[in-house]
Amino acid sequence: LPVLTQPPSASALLGASIKLTCTLSSEHSTYTIDWYRQRPGTPPQYIMRVNSDGSHTKGDGIPDRFMGSSSGADRYLTLSNLQSDDEADYHCGETHTIAGQVGVVFGGGTKLTVL
Amino acid sequence: QVQLVQSGAEVSKPGTSVKVSCKASGYTFTGDYMHWVRQAPGQGLEWMGRINPRSGDTDYSRKFQGRVTMTRDTSISTAYLELSGLRSDDAAVYYCARSPSGNFDFWGQGTLVTVSS
Repeated sequence: LPVLTQPPSASALLGASIKLTCTLSSEHSTYTIDWYRQRPGTPPQYIMRVNSDGSHTKGDGIPDRFMGSSSGADRYLTLSNLQSDDEADYHCGETHTIAGQVGVVFGGGTKLTVL
Repeated sequence: QVQLVQSGAEVSKPGTSVKVSCKASGYTFTGDYMHWVRQAPGQGLEWMGRINPRSGDTDYSRKFQGRVTMTRDTSISTAYLELSGLRSDDAAVYYCARSPSGNFDFWGQGTLVTVSS
């Protein structure tokens, strides 16, 4: 089954940019992933889908300062002009059908701190 | 607008069952899969399974096979999650989430399940 790996934490200054990483297991390096943001005490919010070629599709209302990209097994979410309310947990997730069995896998999440 | 409204917090004893509801509005309930995802305190997201509201067909995570049942009532646009044989490590916030194409674009507000004797 696919495994998604995320660094547990990241930090950047207010107004700066940061690139969050979600790494797929090597044998699943072509898979598409989805990014979610979860502010404290709230449910996750869909941000975007990132494909292996780097193309991405954003959810409704997601601002232009959120961008997706890819390199090999890595899927990225870049946040520009960081705001204080970007401070949240960021999760990546992946849906697959393997041997006729549907499954969904999430990474462990990255806690983003805006300094 | 799309809304998923879940039932309130539950306190259940070990070994018993809990049933959580998720009422959908603002879209055609039978048009998209409904998934259930849980999150233990301070932990990441864990997928439990999904239901096709149109057919009632289900797919469960192997981890929960035998303990989880997902159902729906199309007359009231509501999906249900029932988890049996509760253990202390089942304490978590349980979310329903709509999935139009593999991603989860709308989530319920979450239902806190506490397992305590």
